[in-house]
Amino acid sequence: AQSVTQLDSHVSVSEGTPVLLRCNYSSSYSPSLFWYVQHPNKGLQLLLKYTSAATLVKGINGFEAEFKKSETSFHLTKPSAHMSDAAEYFCVVNPDNYGQNFVFGPGTRLSVLP
Amino acid sequence: DTGVSQDPRHKITKRGQNVTFRCDPISEHNRLYWYRQTLGQGPEFLTYFQNEAQLEKSRLLSDRFSAERPKGSFSTLEIQRTEQGDSAMYLCASSLEDEQFFGPGTRLTVL
Repeated sequence: AQSVTQLDSHVSVSEGTPVLLRCNYSSSYSPSLFWYVQHPNKGLQLLLKYTSAATLVKGINGFEAEFKKSETSFHLTKPSAHMSDAAEYFCVVNPDNYGQNFVFGPGTRLSVLP
Repeated sequence: DTGVSQDPRHKITKRGQNVTFRCDPISEHNRLYWYRQTLGQGPEFLTYFQNEAQLEKSRLLSDRFSAERPKGSFSTLEIQRTEQGDSAMYLCASSLEDEQFFGPGTRLTVL
């Protein structure tokens, strides 16, 4: 079965410091991977996606993620956190690129301290 | 506003009643998805339409749940004989390819 693990349910950083949100996946095939963000009382928004092109993917708002097949990881990073980054972040896998059964991780809540 | 819309935004019902939710996708999007999200969890896939055809259904979608997309545009999700365990946020998303655009959700509370 395909699954997504987000190793931290809550991450807290100070404004201006780096952000690292961890994601590991299991998939029998070469998956497509995504990060979505959910701000309070707002809809989910796509941050970035990996679909078997470059392994380092750049997204919106300064976020990027690196696909590491050997580690089955797709960690999300940002060099410098901003207060507006405080939100829930979801790692998502489309396990086989043919079906549409997208699997969401449990989410990581990011807090940014002043 | 040309985003995904959902109606109603909130629904409170008594156990055993039927409820129906509506999703209006972005107009040119041929793919439409329904998800369920409970507190503290990520969204769980329920079902997927390509145009009017329902192509995938999760095992989470019991026989009390039914979804339709009759003309390949808006979609409805009906829950019959609601149970307290059905209380959740029901999310709709649409896409042309793999980037899904999500609606604001319908929050269902079953008393």
